[in-house]
Amino acid sequence: ETGVTQSPTHLIKTRGQQVTLRCSSQSGHNTVSWYQQALGQGPQFIFQYYREEENGRGNFPPRFSGLQFPNYSSELNVNALELDDSALYLCASSLVGGDTQYFGPGTRLTVL
Amino acid sequence: GENVEQHPSTLSVQEGDSAVIKCTYSDSASNYFPWYKQELGKRPQLIIDIRSNVGEKKDQRIAVTLNKTAKHFSLHITETQPEDSAVYFCAASDTRRSARQLTFGSGTQLTVLP
Repeated sequence: ETGVTQSPTHLIKTRGQQVTLRCSSQSGHNTVSWYQQALGQGPQFIFQYYREEENGRGNFPPRFSGLQFPNYSSELNVNALELDDSALYLCASSLVGGDTQYFGPGTRLTVL
Repeated sequence: GENVEQHPSTLSVQEGDSAVIKCTYSDSASNYFPWYKQELGKRPQLIIDIRSNVGEKKDQRIAVTLNKTAKHFSLHITETQPEDSAVYFCAASDTRRSARQLTFGSGTQLTVLP
């Protein structure tokens, strides 16, 4: 196992609600990326954080936001949930300057 | 932006046979190409990667080849075993960018029949 952990494992929300997902990076990794994986699809890049700042973003609206903390843990926040937000949310950590990204087990979000 | 296409979407092979999965990418700036294996309900796990300065890389039963001119790369698994059954994803990244985002293919469901 890679050491990246995520919580919660599963989450059910209703349309319009807000959700916060959490990620704890592998020890020593100071860069974290978040991905959305819809059923039967490959993961899609949401954004990346380094030194507590967003340093890259994919094609996701502003209602997807994040935070990175001094201990390199991270949060993904999604406001005004839509049905299409139902997916597996994966975080991945890496060393600064490193190419390899190590994934957590994901949080399965269901929006009803 | 980068676009990665992956084929086939499903692949069934007999145990002991070889499996090949192919990917093409669109951005010639991409220079890092990892392959991930994702078993049902589990996290994607890196199985092998290749950089653009290398044409081929092997790790036991797994090999990856890269053709930069044609912008395609392939995963080869030899002597397949039932535990190789999983979804395999290729990805591409330009590691010179500040955000090293991975662009993934849509995945290949590999089934190894005993």
